Amino acid sequence: DAGVTQSPTHLIKTRGQHVTLRCSPISGHKSVSWYQQVLGQGPQFIFQYYEKEERGRGNFPDRFSARQFPNYSSELNVNALLLGDSALYLCASSPNPPTQAFFGQGTRLTVV
Amino acid sequence: QKEVEQDPGPLSVPEGAIVSLNCTYSNSAFQYFMWYRQYSRKGPELLMYTYSSGNKEDGRFTAQVDKSSKYISLFIRDSQPSDSATYLCAMVYLSGDKVIFGPGTSLSVIP
Repeated sequence: DAGVTQSPTHLIKTRGQHVTLRCSPISGHKSVSWYQQVLGQGPQFIFQYYEKEERGRGNFPDRFSARQFPNYSSELNVNALLLGDSALYLCASSPNPPTQAFFGQGTRLTVV
Repeated sequence: QKEVEQDPGPLSVPEGAIVSLNCTYSNSAFQYFMWYRQYSRKGPELLMYTYSSGNKEDGRFTAQVDKSSKYISLFIRDSQPSDSATYLCAMVYLSGDKVIFGPGTSLSVIP
């Protein structure tokens, strides 16, 4: 059974651009969460979606948005990129919150 | 005060040693507790999950939760070089709407 898959694995963007990151959860999992991890720190919670509805939001600006599709996959969108948005973006899925979350390998975003 | 505190290390031990990793938290609303292992440039891997005070064992790993002291621990027995990684504690509110991670402890097991 496939784990959580994220795409792309790496990308480089310029300040001010927009980026879309994608996540496919484990089959049967209905909850998807997004995290930002800066080097040397633990992941910081951005969003949680369950059954296509936003269940939780972390302390991130409105430039960050997300959505979950009927097949439970998810997108994270970041507008007006800043240098400080450079990080590893992690997606995690779980059967239903708050049970244990399983992570993908992440998308490494570099903003130049 | 941060919601979850964790000694960042680095922690270096000889192969075969018992490793103790710890986290403290400030909010008694946390009800679910997890430990993750993260290798460099990889996503976190779930090691242990528990929701009650006491001990939970899985192979060489034992997770301990003390809700009265707001303290959780992960013990690794017979540590191996392959255990060298960053260990993250994580906690979830009863509402389940977000997971809070500690900053992680970097562990090196020396052959």
